[in-house]
Amino acid sequence: IAGITQAPTSQILAAGRRMTLRCTQDMRHNAMYWYRQDLGLGLRLIHYSNTAGTTGKGEVPDGYSVSRANTDDFPLTLASAVPSQTSVYFCASSTGKSGANVLTFGAGSRLTVL
Amino acid sequence: GQNIDQPTEMTATEGAIVQINCTYQTSGFNGLFWYQQHAGEAPTFLSYNVLDGLEEKGRFSSFLSRSKGYSYLLLKELQMKDSASYLCAHMDSNYQLIWGAGTKLIIKP
Repeated sequence: IAGITQAPTSQILAAGRRMTLRCTQDMRHNAMYWYRQDLGLGLRLIHYSNTAGTTGKGEVPDGYSVSRANTDDFPLTLASAVPSQTSVYFCASSTGKSGANVLTFGAGSRLTVL
Repeated sequence: GQNIDQPTEMTATEGAIVQINCTYQTSGFNGLFWYQQHAGEAPTFLSYNVLDGLEEKGRFSSFLSRSKGYSYLLLKELQMKDSASYLCAHMDSNYQLIWGAGTKLIIKP
């Protein structure tokens, strides 16, 4: 089934540890995104990639890094986790074309930093 | 600046009609999106408006007024499965999405 796969589904992490959230899509979408979703706030863009080999910063990039070595994969790394990074993280992809740029989301990764 | 507002929570009765409003302010506009998100799940696309007017898609319709910075999502013949959060987002001049906090819709029998 075509779509986006995120891993892990859920993780509890000690502060200061390094963590990579994985995201893979099989729709050959050019654009990929990482969002965080916190209670009472809208989805906030962390980083994005318009095409393989390029990345850009979103609204809340500090403390996070991404890479886009190929079309399918877009991992998000927390170099040294802090409690404020406790959130639900969604990976998404789209064709990247302007206009009706519909996003397809992964199921999310729930991260708790203690 | 840019912001987008929608009610935090709404309650409606099964079989009824509900309208979820969304207002936005932006320096550039490239469309208005509505997504549905069931608790614990990913958001899924519902509708896209870029021109003024009403777009109808089955039980769901979405309206846009660009001059007023206003949109609404209309849900008819409500079903229990429509209980979810509804997210409004507008696409800015850089084709990035600016999201509202979502409206939690509770359907009662």
